[in-house]
Amino acid sequence: DVKVTQSSRYLVKRTGEKVFLECVQDMDHENMFWYRQDPGLGLRLIYFSYDVKMKEKGDIPEGYSVSREKKERFSLILESASTNQTSMYLCATLRREQGIYEQYFGPGTRLTVT
Amino acid sequence: AQTVTQSQPEMSVQEAETVTLSCTYDTSENNYYLFWYKQPPSRQMILVIRQEAYKQQNATENRFSVNFQKAAKSFSLKISDSQLGDTAMYFCAFTVYNQGGKLIFGQGTELSVKP
Repeated sequence: DVKVTQSSRYLVKRTGEKVFLECVQDMDHENMFWYRQDPGLGLRLIYFSYDVKMKEKGDIPEGYSVSREKKERFSLILESASTNQTSMYLCATLRREQGIYEQYFGPGTRLTVT
Repeated sequence: AQTVTQSQPEMSVQEAETVTLSCTYDTSENNYYLFWYKQPPSRQMILVIRQEAYKQQNATENRFSVNFQKAAKSFSLKISDSQLGDTAMYFCAFTVYNQGGKLIFGQGTELSVKP
C-alpha cells in the first residue's frame, strides 16, 4: 500500500510566521503535489515536483514556496503566513505505471493562521 | 482554460437507493483521464473510479459506475445500493496525459446517505 504522511493534522500559527508543512511518501514516486482545499472551491494546485530539486508552479503559487531535497520528501513553505492562508493542505503522489495513472493523498493538514 | 464543474453542492439519498452525481469538464486536449475521488469525514481522499478518455466503455467498480459522454464532456457517477459508509464529499477531477499528473478538481458534492 502506498503511504503518504503529513507532519501535522492540525496546526495553528500567527500572522507573519514562517510555516513548514512536510510530506513524506514511501513508494518511490517521482511526482509529488501540494493542493489547497477550501469549501466551494474544491482542491487547487499550489506547486508540484517531478524530480528532486525540480518544481513547477500550479494555479495558486503566490505566498508559497516548496523544497524537494530528497525524492521521498516534499515540503510546502509559507514564508510569511497570512490569515487568507487558513485552509486544508493536501499532499499527493502520482503512480504512473503500466497504464495506471493515479494520485495518492495524505491525510491533510488543517492550518489556522491567527 | 481547463475546468471541472460539479453543479450539485449537496445531495442526499436513502440507504439502498441509487444516486447519480453530475460532473462536466472542459478541455481542448484529447488524451486525458477522469476520476472520482471520495473524501469521508475523516478526510483521507481515496480514489473511487477512473476512466481513460480513449476508452468508450464506461468504467465500473462494484456499486460504482460512470456515464462518460466524451462529446458532451460529461462524467457522472452512479452509486447503486447506497450504504451509510458512502457518506462523504465526492470530487470529480481530470488530468491531461503527459502534463505531470496535475489534477483539475471540481467544487465537490457532499453526499449524505440516510438510514
